[in-house]
Parts: sequence; C-alpha cells; structure tokens
Amino acid sequence: AQKVTQAQTEISVVEKEDVTLDCVYETRDTTYYLFWYKQPPSGELVFLIRRNSFDEQNEISGRYSWNFQKSTSSFNFTITASQVVDSAVYFCALRDSNYQLIWGAGTKLIIKP
Amino acid sequence: NAGVTQTPKFRILKIGQSMTLQCTQDMNHNYMYWYRQDPGMGLKLIYYSVGAGITDKGEVPNGYNVSRSTTEDFPLRLELAAPSQTSVYFCASSYGGGAAYNEQFFGPGTRLTVL
Repeated sequence: AQKVTQAQTEISVVEKEDVTLDCVYETRDTTYYLFWYKQPPSGELVFLIRRNSFDEQNEISGRYSWNFQKSTSSFNFTITASQVVDSAVYFCALRDSNYQLIWGAGTKLIIKP
Repeated sequence: NAGVTQTPKFRILKIGQSMTLQCTQDMNHNYMYWYRQDPGMGLKLIYYSVGAGITDKGEVPNGYNVSRSTTEDFPLRLELAAPSQTSVYFCASSYGGGAAYNEQFFGPGTRLTVL
C-alpha cells in the first residue's frame, strides 16, 4: 500500500533555529516521485520541490534543503535559520504510477519571534 | 496568467441540497484534479481527469460527480449534500507530459459547510 507518514504533528521553534520536518513513505513502485508543499495560514498550497526515485542527490535552495534516502524511505526537509514567515503547514506527498498523489497528514510549523 | 481559479470561496449548504464547485485553469494543462482537505488532515483525491472527456475516480469519489467538457474547466458536483462533506475543496492542474513528474498547481480552495 502507498502511504506517507509525517509523524510530527506540530513543531514550535524560536526564530533563527534550524528545524527538520520528517517524511517517511511506503511504496512498492520502483519509479515514484516525492513532493513537498507548503500551506501558509492563508490556505493556498505552494509547491516547494519534487524528487524522483532515481535521484538521491540532496537539494538545497536558499535556506531550504532536502535529504532523500531510499534506504530508509525518507525525504526530510530542513529549514536553516528559520523565519516567522516560514510558519505554515508542510505536506509531503508521494506520486505513484497511477498519477495519484498520496499525502501525509502535514506538520504544522510555528516559528516564534 | 490567473492560474487555477475556483468559485465560490465559501458556501454553506443545507443537508440534501446540491451545488457545483467551479474550477478553471488557463495554463492549458491536460490533467486536472479535485481534492478535499478535512481539518488537520492531508488532501484526499476525489476525481481526476487526464484530458477533456476523460475522468476517473480517486480515493473518495462517493457523493460527487465531475465532467470535463473543455481543457479549461473541471466542475465538481455535489448531490444531496451531507455533513460529512464539510471540508475545504481544492482544484489542481498539471502539465500532461510526464504527468507523474510534474507538480500540481492549486487553486485557492472552496470552504464548504453542510449543516
């Protein structure tokens, strides 16, 4: 069965701290795609990154970085030097061969000033 | 480009009423999707479409219907609304080529309450 687990329901840190959001997935497909989306308090969904199952290189984009490890079926997301504007719910999602996105329950990130 | 637009933004329905949630995209995307997001949860796929005239069920299709007569529009119909359909509904679209790879672009959502 396809499944995405985001075990951290809510994380609260003080501004400028680093924070890592965990994502663990389950799939039997050999080809799959992983995504992270951000949902700020305004409610819209903002695409952050995608990663395919053949590319295990870590990705860095400014203060954001992603660590994809097939051996542990994880695709973790780290924010360095967090800012109040990073406060949002972050979703990890898995796209299977049927083109359907399987979503985790999300992690609510609170950045305190 | 307006991207993906949804109307209405908010709606309150009485049990048993029907309504149509509108979704339009101007990016010429082949793939379109309808999701629902219950409080504190991730998104669940209701229906999706890979092109005009083609639709298919997702994870939670019961109580909903869709049609796709044009590339741009993908309306979601609720028949006989029930309190269990209280949710936020998101429409999304993606480019058709290599669809599994391409990210989905989301509309702003419709918050529906059924009382």
